[in-house]
Amino acid sequence: EAQVTQNPRYLITVTGKKLTVTCSQNMNHEYMSWYRQDPGLGLRQIYYSMNVEVTDKGDVPEGYKVSRKEKRNFPLILESPSPNQTSLYFCASSLAGGWETQYFGPGTRLLVL
Amino acid sequence: QKEVEQNSGPLSVPEGAIASLNCTYSDRGSQSFFWYRQYSGKSPELIMSIYSNGDKEDGRFTAQLNKASQYVSLLIRDSQPSDSATYLCAVNEDSNYQLIWGAGTKLIIKP
Repeated sequence: EAQVTQNPRYLITVTGKKLTVTCSQNMNHEYMSWYRQDPGLGLRQIYYSMNVEVTDKGDVPEGYKVSRKEKRNFPLILESPSPNQTSLYFCASSLAGGWETQYFGPGTRLLVL
Repeated sequence: QKEVEQNSGPLSVPEGAIASLNCTYSDRGSQSFFWYRQYSGKSPELIMSIYSNGDKEDGRFTAQLNKASQYVSLLIRDSQPSDSATYLCAVNEDSNYQLIWGAGTKLIIKP
């Protein structure tokens, strides 16, 4: 089954404790991206990747890191989480870029205390 | 700052009626336009995409694009309770890698 998977689905952590949210797709997509979704603000792009080893900042990259060492994986790293990073996070992928259908993972709900 | 604006709602529509959702965007260079549906607690899924001026129909859904006025709309005919969701409008500039998203309109279909 073609899909985007994210882990974990739910996470409660404390300020400053490094965490990684994994994202994997099995559709051989070139393009992957991370979003956060907050009430009233819609989806905001954190980082995106056009291909292996090629990443770029989205609209809200501060406090986040990403890597794209393999085509299928695009982990999101929070080196020192803060309460303002409490949010719902989505990973998405598409064949080549933002002009195509985005396929979303199920989401990761993060609470930073 | 490129923006996509949507009325947050909620928009309440009786079952069987036509639901009309609107979206305006600021960047005249935008070329690709998308409507996604998001059920509560779930991830967004594509409903319609539209690339040229005019109407595009798919079943009960019709997307309308007017580039001169910089708006795109989604009509849902014969609305069903299962259409109750938040509808997200997304816009892409000409082959730019980023999508700009609206905050979404919450639609409630009343039986």
